[in-house]
Formats: sequence, structure tokens, C-alpha cells
Amino acid sequence: QKEVEQNSGPLSVPEGAIASLNCTYSDRVSQSFFWYRQYSGKSPELIMSIYSNGDKEDGRFTAQLNKASQYVSLLIRDSQPSDSATYLCAVYNNNDMRFGAGTRLTVKP
Amino acid sequence: KAGVTQTPRYLIKTRGQQVTLSCSPISGHRSVSWYQQTPGQGLQFLFEYFSETQRNKGNFPGRFSGRQFSNSRSEMNVSTLELGDSALYLCASSPDKRSEKLFFGSGTQLSVL
Repeated sequence: QKEVEQNSGPLSVPEGAIASLNCTYSDRVSQSFFWYRQYSGKSPELIMSIYSNGDKEDGRFTAQLNKASQYVSLLIRDSQPSDSATYLCAVYNNNDMRFGAGTRLTVKP
Repeated sequence: KAGVTQTPRYLIKTRGQQVTLSCSPISGHRSVSWYQQTPGQGLQFLFEYFSETQRNKGNFPGRFSGRQFSNSRSEMNVSTLELGDSALYLCASSPDKRSEKLFFGSGTQLSVL
């Protein structure tokens, strides 16, 4: 079992819809959780971090964490074509960051 | 502030050769991590350095090594290259040793022929 798992997609949503990206992790003692966005040919950039159970909102982005289920999600409201990218879930534990393989999101105009 | 700088941007090597990649972190950042990114595997953690000391290492063979200098710049070396080493190698820096928020460089695209 991989430490951090994501559906590789591709996930395709129409412009204006809600995109839902999911991630599960295997280590129960994981402490911190992140979402990175990576445009094609570019390096990953941090867009959200979440540390405690519940929701965290930042503009059109909402991160959700459920430690009991070992589940993290990212919701993108009012999706735009510029949101088309690969979204990487990352889990921090024991001094290192582990990434999922990423979900490729396409937002169609 | 300048971002994380990685050189070279592209490299082509042949099997059996060795390669050294360089990473200059954001000014003031003391932690540097290295990742290998391939289409099927995503980002795989290689190692992390803080104050010239390797703090953590991923599950890669001993052919992969690294070091950090007193100015926080870091290098990674891959010896006896194999075809499977073809990947994008990303360096990330963070301000301190709790490397939660990573700032990535543009990467070095290594092709092994």
C-alpha cells in the first residue's frame, strides 16, 4: 500500500462546477497535510495546508481533513480553465514530506 | 527574493556515467530536500539536508547521494546511471528544519540513454 494515494484521473469538470480531489494516507500519526498544484512543465506550488480535522477555506479552495478516516480532500468551487493542473496531496510525518502521485484536473470552458 | 535555483535545467547522459545536480535555496532557507518525479510514480523523496547534515533519506539505492554546503547550497550525485534514473529531479527549500512548506525549484530534467 502506498503511503499517500490519489486517484490519478484525469478528472474533467465543466467551467463553473465544483472539482473534488481526494487523498488517503496510511500513517495514522501523520501531522500535517498539504495540497500542491503543478502546471504542466512547471514545479509544484503550495496552495493549501491543513492541520486539524474539519474544513479550511481559502478563496475558492476548501481543504477537508478527517484523521479518523485518514482522508484529505480539496474542493475547488467555480472551477476555471486556469485551474487545469495536476494536484498533489502531501503528508508530513517524521521529518519528511510524502507525496501522492497526483490527480490531473481538466476544467473545460 | 530569488526563488530556488536548480542547474542545469536539462541533462543527457548515457548509462554508467555519473551526474551532479545543483540547487541554491531561497536566501535564508536552511533546509533543502530532493525529490525524483516520474510520470508513473509521482514525487519520490530522496533526502533532506539541514545545516550540512542529512536528516532523512528515502528508499533509493546508494548510487544516489547528496550534500549540503555551509551556504545551504546543495548538490546531489547519481553514480553509475541506469535508464530508470531518467526523471525530473526537484529541489525544494524551506526556512527551517521542520520542512512543512516547501518551495520548489524548476527542476533538472535528466535523460539517460
